[in-house]
Amino acid sequence: EVQLVESGGGLVQPGGSLRLSCGASGFTFSSYWMHWVRQAPGKGLIWVSRLNNDGSDTSYADSVKGRFTISRDNAKNTLFLQMNSLRAEDTAVYYCARGRGMATILPVWGQGTLVSVSS
Amino acid sequence: DIVVTQSPDSLAVSLGERATINCKSSQSVFSSSYNKNYLAWYQQKLGQPPELLIYWASTRESGVPDRFSGSGSGTDFTLTISSLQAEDVAVYYCQQYYSTPPTFGQGTKVEIK
Repeated sequence: EVQLVESGGGLVQPGGSLRLSCGASGFTFSSYWMHWVRQAPGKGLIWVSRLNNDGSDTSYADSVKGRFTISRDNAKNTLFLQMNSLRAEDTAVYYCARGRGMATILPVWGQGTLVSVSS
Repeated sequence: DIVVTQSPDSLAVSLGERATINCKSSQSVFSSSYNKNYLAWYQQKLGQPPELLIYWASTRESGVPDRFSGSGSGTDFTLTISSLQAEDVAVYYCQQYYSTPPTFGQGTKVEIK
């Protein structure tokens, strides 16, 4: 079964850091581009970042550029999102998602992990 | 960034009736090189992650019931649920992937009348 499982969310103070992980199983992780998408409570979906299959090419939303870093460990079938200088507006459920080819078509999603930024 | 706007924000339809959701992008998402519209539709039920329904504007994802269909080209697109079922209660999002960053519409909530 194809599966993505996020972890690492929690409560953090403004200015703090958090590292999210997304464990993949049921497919050849190293063959797929991967994405992070977030959803603030009661709000819509916002694309955050993507990483190509070998980890050599990244892209970020302007709102997180310079603060967030996406990476992957293909040997451990794991995607990461390092989040620094967190702000209240970063509070959201963070989903990892598998892409389809190079297009941001997202047929596989994890259940999400909640990040709360508050003092 | 391409702005994607959905209408209406919410919709109440009787069981078995048709539901129609519109999606408009601020610029064309059609590629003449590939003859494709870079537009997808997702369904999100309460407390769950989104689920891909349609991509390339009109290609149904494997396993998606055929009562769901997508149409449109350029800047104007439509998701149609031909005969609404109770399990279709959800928020529906369109998303363009023509340019980076990919952007989603604000969502349309579909309920039973």
